[in-house]
Amino acid sequence: SQQGEEDPQALSIQEGENATMNCSYKTSINNLQWYRQNSGRGLVHLILIRSNEREKHSGRLRVTLDTSKKSSSLLITASRAADTASYFCATLVGGSYIPTFGRGTSLIVHP
Amino acid sequence: DVKVTQSSRYLVKRTGEKVFLECVQDMDHENMFWYRQDPGLGLRLIYFSYDVKMKEKGDIPEGYSVSREKKERFSLILESASTNQTSMYLCATSRTLGRGQYFGPGTRLTVT
Repeated sequence: SQQGEEDPQALSIQEGENATMNCSYKTSINNLQWYRQNSGRGLVHLILIRSNEREKHSGRLRVTLDTSKKSSSLLITASRAADTASYFCATLVGGSYIPTFGRGTSLIVHP
Repeated sequence: DVKVTQSSRYLVKRTGEKVFLECVQDMDHENMFWYRQDPGLGLRLIYFSYDVKMKEKGDIPEGYSVSREKKERFSLILESASTNQTSMYLCATSRTLGRGQYFGPGTRLTVT
């Protein structure tokens, strides 16, 4: 069953703008992970945020987690054309060892 | 860096053929996974393995089997390929269950 759901499904922005995508989930989680997938390739792990964390940064990426709202957001600041990709959240539900992936947000950054 | 390789990027097979997809990793990770990815459905787990010769079914194991005879190699087998198994197949590894996974480049399989 699908645990995390990304929103929006698609996002189109200009280079230099910030991109924000969201992930909502239904049950309590141990951690939430964000991945990037370039067209026709495998996924790349970006960030893992634990259920007791509220915010994490990695370079131009900022991830927040609000467990009361069961949601997370991924912010990419000062986007570049190379950020064009699909972004997936994956949630690890309590008692499970395998993350469940959402359907992804497709981001297009126009140069 | 972890390197996960898959035997083919693109594969075309006929209905009824036996198909082997191979995945090899070079980082001594205990855990290996096979997913399929379809438009609108995201990634779905087929099987995973947490040790040599150990395997667990995922969400959609029907029509598939797996083999893990060596730690670095995890094979996905389609015993009798069908057109509904046309998909992108992704292999992944992780050192610790529940942590970040490292993915291979994927195999786009077409069954005609």
